[in-house]
Amino acid sequence: DTGVSQDPRHKITKRGQNVTFRCDPISEHNRLYWYRQTLGQGPEFLTYFQNEAQLEKSRLLSDRFSAERPKGSFSTLEIQRTEQGDSAMYLCASSQAGSYYNEQFFGPGTRLTVL
Amino acid sequence: AQRVTQPEKLLSVFKGAPVELKCNYSYSGSPELFWYVQYSRQRLQLLLRHISRESIKGFTADLNKGETSFHLKKPFAQEEDSAMYYCATQGGSEKLVFGKGTKLTVNP
Repeated sequence: DTGVSQDPRHKITKRGQNVTFRCDPISEHNRLYWYRQTLGQGPEFLTYFQNEAQLEKSRLLSDRFSAERPKGSFSTLEIQRTEQGDSAMYLCASSQAGSYYNEQFFGPGTRLTVL
Repeated sequence: AQRVTQPEKLLSVFKGAPVELKCNYSYSGSPELFWYVQYSRQRLQLLLRHISRESIKGFTADLNKGETSFHLKKPFAQEEDSAMYYCATQGGSEKLVFGKGTKLTVNP
């Protein structure tokens, strides 16, 4: 499968615990995005990287959230001291800057449940 | 700030009937506009974008700058069109701003 992959697909955790998600983009894509989607809402932008540089962060990305893309390939999103309000689907997408459509290709998502 | 409004949460039509999913946006500049679709148990995927002026799976969308709308239309709906549809904008940034989505059900 050459699409965007995310791991794990599901995560159940207790309030206060830390969680980390991984995203592997399409191999030739240099842009990587994180979005969050809660029930009944469309995806909401969290942050994006071009290569290893984090170029934009949403106000939604509180101090408890941190994202990295250390070698410009895969990315991790960590949530510290999880809260029930963090329960959501976390989506990763990738694109190639300069491509004709600059289309963002989405992964299957990681569903987080905070008990 | 960019905002996308999809006024219909649910839309139900019969097979062969025309379908129109509404989308209105607010943005001070000239945004890029997209329709994304998510079929059951599949990932979100791009359906079409206004700049390409393509017709995908029989769907078209016309940008009306005066009404700030980008409604998605198909003259004859098929059962396989049943899905969640999201309108999105992109302007001044690489991020996509999505509406809340419309769930389309095409009944046999």
